[in-house]
Formats: sequence, structure tokens, C-alpha cells
Amino acid sequence: KAGVTQTPRYLIKTRGQQVTLSCSPISGHRSVSWYQQTPGQGLQFLFEYFSETQRNKGNFPGRFSGRQFSNSRSEMNVSTLELGDSALYLCASSPQGVGDEAFFGQGTRLTVV
Amino acid sequence: AQSVTQPDIHITVSEGASLELRCNYSYGATPYLFWYVQSPGQGLQLLLKYFSGDTLVQGIKGFEAEFKRSQSSFNLRKPSVHWSDAAEYFCAVLTSGTYKYIFGTGTRLKVLA
Repeated sequence: KAGVTQTPRYLIKTRGQQVTLSCSPISGHRSVSWYQQTPGQGLQFLFEYFSETQRNKGNFPGRFSGRQFSNSRSEMNVSTLELGDSALYLCASSPQGVGDEAFFGQGTRLTVV
Repeated sequence: AQSVTQPDIHITVSEGASLELRCNYSYGATPYLFWYVQSPGQGLQLLLKYFSGDTLVQGIKGFEAEFKRSQSSFNLRKPSVHWSDAAEYFCAVLTSGTYKYIFGTGTRLKVLA
């Protein structure tokens, strides 16, 4: 059974640009969550989607957005990139999201220069 | 507000020694509790989880954790550490109804040969 796949693994972008990250969950999983990991702030919740609906959102500015498709694949978008957006972005999938174990991808390392 | 505290940022142990990583949480109800491990450049891998029932839970790689409601703790233990256990360990709470994990700041484990 394939795990959670995140693409690309590495990205370098310039301040002011926008970026789209992709996450393919484990087959059959309908909940996809996104987390930002930085040395200073640790792991912070961005948002969670279930059946194409955002069920919860963390405390991030509106520049961070996401969506989920009918096949449960998810994308997150960051517009007007800032240096502070440099981080490892992790995607996690679970069957339902409530009381489930989450399976994490290897992450996308975003560097903003 | 819910929170997870891992008081030890770094821990160094000798190979073969026992290990205990501390985790305290703040949450009104009994939470779902998890321990994850992250190797450099990788995503998070689940070691074990506690939902209910027996307060001593067994996980992968010889790890175990004990839930103590009176102390709001969920400490991770291993009787004999292997060099391959060197990694960063995260305690997490899954809050029902919000579908998001709250992570501790992590404990980085170094193992001396």
C-alpha cells in the first residue's frame, strides 16, 4: 500500500512569488491535513480537509490556502511568499480524521530567498 | 487552550541505556495521545497511540508509553536504546471535534556509542 506522497520534495522560490504544493493521500483516506514545521515554531497546523470540505483552519494568514479534490488529493497554495515561509510542509492523511492515526508524507522543503 | 509540553529539548543517552521522554498535556477531556518520531529530512512516523483502556501502551521498535491522567502525562520509554533510535520525538494530542494535532516542541535524542 503506497504511503502519503508529497511533491515536489524541494522548492526554492523568490519573495513575492506564489507556490503550490501537492499531497496524494493513502488510498481510501478521506482526511488530509497540512502542517508547517520550522525550527522556531515547531509543527503548526495549517488546515484539514475531508471530502473536499475544509473542516478546520489554523492561525495562518490568508496567503495560505488549500483545497481537496474528489479523489482526496490535496494542494496547498502560498501567495506572496515571505522569507518566513521557509519551512518543511508536511501533509498527513487518515481515514476519517477523528480519532484516527495520521500517516505523514516526507514533506516539501520550501526555501524562500 | 490545549497544549503539549515536552520539557526536554535535548537528551543524550548511551547505547543500551534506558530512556524516558516526558510529555505533559493540557486538555479538558481525555485526549487521544500519540508519540511520533522524525528522522532527519523525513516525515513523522507513528510510534504508538493511546485512545482509551489500558494506560500502558506498546508501540513499534520496543517503545512503550504510560498515560497518567492524574499527572496529565504520557511519557515514552524504552528499556534499552539502540544507536538507530537517534532522532527527534514528538508528543501530540488529537483534539476531538477539531481534527487537528497539537504537537509538542519535540525532544532530540542523541545516542552515544
